[in-house]
Amino acid sequence: GAGVSQSPSNKVTEKGKDVELRCDPISGHTALYWYRQSLGQGLEFLIYFQGNSAPDKSGLPSDRFSAERTGGSVSTLTIQRTQQEDSAVYLCASSHQGGIADARDTQYFGPGTRLTVL
Amino acid sequence: DQQVKQNSPSLSVQEGRISILNCDYTNSMFDYFLWYKKYPAEGPTFLISISSIKDKNEDGRFTVFLNKSAKHLSLHIVPSQPGDSAVYFCAASAVETSGSRLTFGEGTQLTVNP
Repeated sequence: GAGVSQSPSNKVTEKGKDVELRCDPISGHTALYWYRQSLGQGLEFLIYFQGNSAPDKSGLPSDRFSAERTGGSVSTLTIQRTQQEDSAVYLCASSHQGGIADARDTQYFGPGTRLTVL
Repeated sequence: DQQVKQNSPSLSVQEGRISILNCDYTNSMFDYFLWYKKYPAEGPTFLISISSIKDKNEDGRFTVFLNKSAKHLSLHIVPSQPGDSAVYFCAASAVETSGSRLTFGEGTQLTVNP
């Protein structure tokens, strides 16, 4: 079956521009996560969506970052007024439930979007 | 602060030998640990996990060991194969955190030489 897909695979933008990154989770997965991996670093949690609950935004590094998840499926991560330090690979993951009661559901990752801010 | 740390950025082993990848953590609330494998231009893929109630979990050639008192876990791959060459990430989660957000280490690049 189809895995997690992300688009675009690569994005080059100029400092100060806004970018939108898209994630299509695995069908039926109610939990969706965004992470980013900066050069030489591990994956850093950004935001988590679970069903219709309010998202956990505690990992977003600044108010220039926002994310939406429409209809409980597709998610868009938006970075406004991009800065060079935003350059990273942005990874999306989904899992079946993701709630505390099933906190051990495996997260399946997409291939990521490589963002380069010039 | 780096709550999950992989101190070796790279490891090189010969085919057929054992690969041992190490991971240390500082947060005593972590109670579930995972290893992910990542090939270039792909997302990480789940490899193996262990709950804090266990000290060992085995799946084929892969075994994860957990030493809670030392806050240390390791991944053993035996025998190592060239196809195992990838970046391996250690990750941890705590049941109190919302969902199962993962905290990752920096990764270790494993190279298995034929």
